[in-house]
Amino acid sequence: GQQVMQIPQYQHVQEGEDFTTYCNSSTTLSNIQWYKQRPGGHPVFLIQLVKSGEVKKQKRLTFQFGEAKKNSSLHITATQTTDVGTYFCAGRGTYKYIFGTGTRLKVLA
Amino acid sequence: DAGVIQSPRHEVTEMGQEVTLRCKPISGHNSLFWYRQTMMRGLELLIYFNNNVPIDDSGMPEDRFSAKMPNASFSTLKIQPSEPRDSAVYFCASSLGLAGELFFGEGSRLTVL
Repeated sequence: GQQVMQIPQYQHVQEGEDFTTYCNSSTTLSNIQWYKQRPGGHPVFLIQLVKSGEVKKQKRLTFQFGEAKKNSSLHITATQTTDVGTYFCAGRGTYKYIFGTGTRLKVLA
Repeated sequence: DAGVIQSPRHEVTEMGQEVTLRCKPISGHNSLFWYRQTMMRGLELLIYFNNNVPIDDSGMPEDRFSAKMPNASFSTLKIQPSEPRDSAVYFCASSLGLAGELFFGEGSRLTVL
């Protein structure tokens, strides 16, 4: 079945450093979504990517969808303490979204 | 506007008891998803509905788990009998269409002793 893996599992950064999480699917995806979950909270939608090679930006966050539509990345420039949380990708094959394993980000002030 | 509403927020029960989790999706959303989150297994999709019809329940772990959606504004996830390994946070999410943005409820934290 479809599997979605993310690396790294954990990342600790100093405030101001950059952060990147990578998402890899075992199958070609129709689209991919990214979510953020704060500690003790619920996943909150960040963005959706649909086209091969698509790049989208939200302020300090840059999202990329691979050319083969099997991988994606999220890059945060100059992290802030408010970026703390777990970032999930969710890849959609035919009908359903499968969530990745998540990357837990800790930002040290 | 109200988001996805789940109840109860916390449930502590003893092994063997029946547990019922409830979800009210966002009005107008026609797709509903039940996820389970644990440290070991992450976010697992249990079952999802489209227009109140179950589409895929392949993620339901065992026959002890069942889910219903009797109408567009209500869904339940039932575990009978419950076991300690069922302890997890159960999230309900709704969306407009199967490919839409998922709106999650705040989750129901279940502890089975």
